[in-house]
Amino acid sequence: NAGVTQTPKFQVLKTGQSMTLQCAQDMNHNSMYWYRQDPGMGLRLIYYSASEGTTDKGEVPNGYNVSRLNKREFSLRLESAAPSQTSVYFCASSEGDRELAFFGQGTRLTVV
Amino acid sequence: AQSVTQPDIHITVSEGASLELRCNYSYGATPYLFWYVQSPGQGLQLLLKYFSGDTLVQGIKGFEAEFKRSQSSFNLRKPSVHWSDAAEYFCAVGELNSGYALNFGKGTSLLVTP
Repeated sequence: NAGVTQTPKFQVLKTGQSMTLQCAQDMNHNSMYWYRQDPGMGLRLIYYSASEGTTDKGEVPNGYNVSRLNKREFSLRLESAAPSQTSVYFCASSEGDRELAFFGQGTRLTVV
Repeated sequence: AQSVTQPDIHITVSEGASLELRCNYSYGATPYLFWYVQSPGQGLQLLLKYFSGDTLVQGIKGFEAEFKRSQSSFNLRKPSVHWSDAAEYFCAVGELNSGYALNFGKGTSLLVTP
């Protein structure tokens, strides 16, 4: 099925460890996004990539880096995980203002 | 500052009753407006969207929303709620200057009672 695929679905990290969250879409969308969701906070934008080869900071970029590897893939990296990064992470993609934002199923990350 | 406000954190309705979830936004221009639903442990599903034109938009699952520019609102409605509608609902606004990224409200949790 077409859509946005995130891996892994669940992850537990120790403080200071690093990891990369993977995201891939097969809809040929230009724009991709990473959000984090915390209780009572809604979804907040971490980084986005409006097109292949570009990335920009969102509302809460500190502690994260991203790579737009190609048009399909947009990864999110935590270089040194902190407990404050415990959250559910969602990747999304869209073609522009007239297109829907399709969301992946999320990655539940716990940092202990 | 640009913002999206969902005034109700929790709402409880009886099955079969009508529903209205409130959303207010603060943006300079006409925004692109969305409602998403999230079931527990799931991702987000788009219910409906407004870009321009008719201010009353129809979505999936029997939902509709009305854009009211004078009130800066985009409230979600359903005439008769089903138990399966229990979920978290998010209003979102598209930001043109952020690659069309979405700015979300904090969500309204809907509980449906028998």
